[in-house]
Amino acid sequence: AQSVTQLDSQVPVFEEAPVELRCNYSSSVSVYLFWYVQYPNQGLQLLLKYLSGSTLVKGINGFEAEFNKSQTSFHLRKPSVHISDTAEYFCAVSDRGSTLGRLYFGRGTQLTVWP
Amino acid sequence: KAGVTQTPRYLIKTRGQQVTLSCSPISGHRSVSWYQQTPGQGLQFLFEYFSETQRNKGNFPGRFSGRQFSNSRSEMNVSTLELGDSALYLCASSLEGSRNTEAFFGQGTRLTVV
Repeated sequence: AQSVTQLDSQVPVFEEAPVELRCNYSSSVSVYLFWYVQYPNQGLQLLLKYLSGSTLVKGINGFEAEFNKSQTSFHLRKPSVHISDTAEYFCAVSDRGSTLGRLYFGRGTQLTVWP
Repeated sequence: KAGVTQTPRYLIKTRGQQVTLSCSPISGHRSVSWYQQTPGQGLQFLFEYFSETQRNKGNFPGRFSGRQFSNSRSEMNVSTLELGDSALYLCASSLEGSRNTEAFFGQGTRLTVV
C-alpha cells in the first residue's frame, strides 16, 4: 500500500508571498501523482497531475509542482498567493501498474493566506 | 457537462439506523469510487465500482456496502450506524478508473450520526 506524507498540517502566509506545500510518498513502484484542493463544505478539485514526461507540472490558479523521483517528492508551489487560495490541499498517489482505481491521500495541508 | 452529483448533501441519522447515499457520475464515466473523510482519519478509500462490479475495497467493516447500476450511478449503504460514521462521504468518477485518469469529485454528503 502507498503512504503519502504531507509534512505541514498548517501553512500560514501573507498575501502575495510565495508558498510551498510539501508532499512525500513511499513507494517501490512507479506512481501517478496528484494535488487536489478542497474549499469549505466542498468536494475535491484537481489542481494538477503528473502522469509522465516533464517533471515540472503546471496546474490551475497559478500552481505548479515538481516530481522528484530520487527524493519521492511532489511539492506544490505558487510564487504569489491570494486570499482566495485559502483552502485545504491534498496530495494523492495511485499505483501506475495497478488497474484498480484507488487514490491514496495525504492528511492535507491547510493553507491560510492573510491580508 | 454536468459534474458528479451526490444526494443528499446533508443527512442526520440516529445510531442504529441505516442510510443510503447516491452518486451520479459524469456522463460516460464508468468508474465510481467512494471515500470517507473525517478530521481524525483524513480521506480513506471505501470501494470502487467499474461496470457494475466492485473492483477494489478498502479496509472498512461489512456494514459499509455499495453497488453500481447499469447507468453507472452508484449507491453506498451503511447499516447499523455508529457515531464514528459521522463524516463527509465523497464520490469520484472517472472514465476508466482513477489510476491514470482524472478523478472528478462530487461535493459530498455530510452524514451526522446522533
